[in-house]
Amino acid sequence: EAGVTQFPSHSVIEKGQTVTLRCDPISGHDNLYWYRRVMGKEIKFLLHFVKESKQDESGMPNNRFLAERTGGTYSTLKVQPAELEDSGVYFCASSQGGGSYNEQFFGPGTRLTVL
Amino acid sequence: QQQVKQSPQSLIVQKGGISIINCAYENTAFDYFPWYQQFPGKGPALLIAIRPDVSEKKEGRFTISFNKSAKQFSLHIMDSQPGDSATYFCAACYEGNTPLVFGKGTRLSVIA
Repeated sequence: EAGVTQFPSHSVIEKGQTVTLRCDPISGHDNLYWYRRVMGKEIKFLLHFVKESKQDESGMPNNRFLAERTGGTYSTLKVQPAELEDSGVYFCASSQGGGSYNEQFFGPGTRLTVL
Repeated sequence: QQQVKQSPQSLIVQKGGISIINCAYENTAFDYFPWYQQFPGKGPALLIAIRPDVSEKKEGRFTISFNKSAKQFSLHIMDSQPGDSATYFCAACYEGNTPLVFGKGTRLSVIA
């Protein structure tokens, strides 16, 4: 079974440009999370989808970030316009629905560099 | 405010030795405490997890010790091997499919 996949693996853009990150969760997983790790700091939560609905977007830094999850399958995270402080590794994770504690499976991440 | 504090930031251990990583948390409502292992170029992967109703959980060479009153938990890697060299993250979350709150990570190097 395929794991969580993310595209692209790396992205280098200039300040002010737009970037869209994609995440394909494990098939059948209702929960999809986005996290970000800025260099030297902890992995921080951005937002959580349950199927196609945003369950919690309290971690989104500002309105330059827009996340969508089409039909409850893959998800995209758009940054527009990108700023220098947006650089970091963006992780996507997915987990099954229901239950109390379902393991979150992480993708390999997208390394974003804003110049 | 960092809700989960992890130490040390980096750790070098001789092959066959014991690696110990410590974490402390603030929020007593946290109900699930996983440890994740990350190799370069890969995403974090669940290694072992514990709930606060037990004080210790062991899986192979990996053990979590949990001290609810002190709000601390630690990962012990026995007989550390070079293949254990990775970054380890402690985390915490509330009951249900809630987001994880991570520590800053510990880079472990096991040298022969």
